[in-house]
Amino acid sequence: QSVLTQPPAVSGAPGRRVTISCTGSSSNIGSGYDVHWYKQLPGAAPKLLISGDSSRPSGVPGRFSASKSGTSVSLVITGLRPEDEADYYCHSYDIGLSGWVFGGGTKLTVL
Amino acid sequence: EVQLVQSGAEVKKAGESLRISCRLSEYTFPNYWIGWVRQVSGKGLEWIGIIYPDDSQTRYSPSFQGQVTMSADKSISVVYLQWSSLKASDSGMYYCARLSVASHIVVVTAPFQDWGQGTVVTVSS
Repeated sequence: QSVLTQPPAVSGAPGRRVTISCTGSSSNIGSGYDVHWYKQLPGAAPKLLISGDSSRPSGVPGRFSASKSGTSVSLVITGLRPEDEADYYCHSYDIGLSGWVFGGGTKLTVL
Repeated sequence: EVQLVQSGAEVKKAGESLRISCRLSEYTFPNYWIGWVRQVSGKGLEWIGIIYPDDSQTRYSPSFQGQVTMSADKSISVVYLQWSSLKASDSGMYYCARLSVASHIVVVTAPFQDWGQGTVVTVSS
């Protein structure tokens, strides 16, 4: 069981908005540690999608954003496109474990 | 863009030793922390540990402490992950990844900005 909890799967139609949640605890997200998001296509390495709570690396479209509330962070994808279909992972630091932790991953299906 | 190039797939038997590598194509190699992440087929990502190549400082996940060893050779810009006695449960995809911040002190809030292509390790019992 992952320290950060994500829904196993979400789906949405092209053009719609989807949200992927990442729920932690007081020893990670709740302690103010930044949450990062990665996108992983089948057979490929993860790729940084959002760093910090809402910063996008060069090349990542503005359709991707993140928001934080308490011990949870959400990845928001608007204007869903077929190429968004992938696995998404959240990532943060846990002071109790003295190390980095990942969410279990969420498979996004574009209907 | 910084590239991390990992060594090729490995097929081993339980009890054998193994060392996989990750080479960084970047002249500032020694000053970035390099992490290792495991992904078991169809499952999520697990942080194994992290190393600072300039002085070989290391941090290990409690789950992997004592099970693997990280090392670095900064003269050739390579970091290693090794096992002295493999188990079938060590099978999986192993990624190296670079923290985004160059610092002697590990910046725990930094993301893994660049990733290697992964090395598949298959251990038969």
